[in-house]
Amino acid sequence: EAGVAQSPRYKIIEKRQSVAFWCNPISGHATLYWYQQILGQGPKLLIQFQNNGVVDDSQLPKDRFSAERLKGVDSTLKIQPAKLEDSAVYLCASSLGVDRVEAFFGQGTRLTVV
Amino acid sequence: GNSVTQMEGPVTLSEEAFLTINCTYTATGYPSLFWYVQYPGEGLQLLLKATKADDKGSNKGFEATYRKETTSFHLEKGSVQVSDSAVYFCAPQGSNYKLTFGKGTLLTVNP
Repeated sequence: EAGVAQSPRYKIIEKRQSVAFWCNPISGHATLYWYQQILGQGPKLLIQFQNNGVVDDSQLPKDRFSAERLKGVDSTLKIQPAKLEDSAVYLCASSLGVDRVEAFFGQGTRLTVV
Repeated sequence: GNSVTQMEGPVTLSEEAFLTINCTYTATGYPSLFWYVQYPGEGLQLLLKATKADDKGSNKGFEATYRKETTSFHLEKGSVQVSDSAVYFCAPQGSNYKLTFGKGTLLTVNP
């Protein structure tokens, strides 16, 4: 079974530039998560989709971050404009979206803002 | 919402030592409980899980028991190996399948 695919793996941008990350979840997985993991910390949930609807985006900085999940499959997370403190690994995960089953994670995108 | 308090690291042990990493949580409803592991240079992967009170999750010699009365899910292993060196995350899953992570505990096992 193919896992969660993310691209790019690494990205370096200057502050105030924009950047986009892409995620392709495991086929058939209804729930898709985007997490931000700053070095030395645990992953922080940015946004959670159930199919193509948003379940939770309470910790998404909406003035600069946006995300969409077209047709309930692939998802894109965008940052515009980027700040130095956005440097982190951005993790995408997916799950079946039923009770008591685990989420599967992609390798992540390491973003460095200079 | 959910929250997790996880034992502060880093933890450094010698090979074959006993490991405990404490985890307590607050959550509405009846969460499922997970331990995830992040090996150096790799992505997050599930280590074990427990979905109801008194369940014991186990994998690769690691165990954790769902203690509803103390809202805890402590991770244990009787004899650690160098290959267990990684960061360990406790994560309750609450309503709407929301998955919340602790800060992580870095474990280093020396030969």
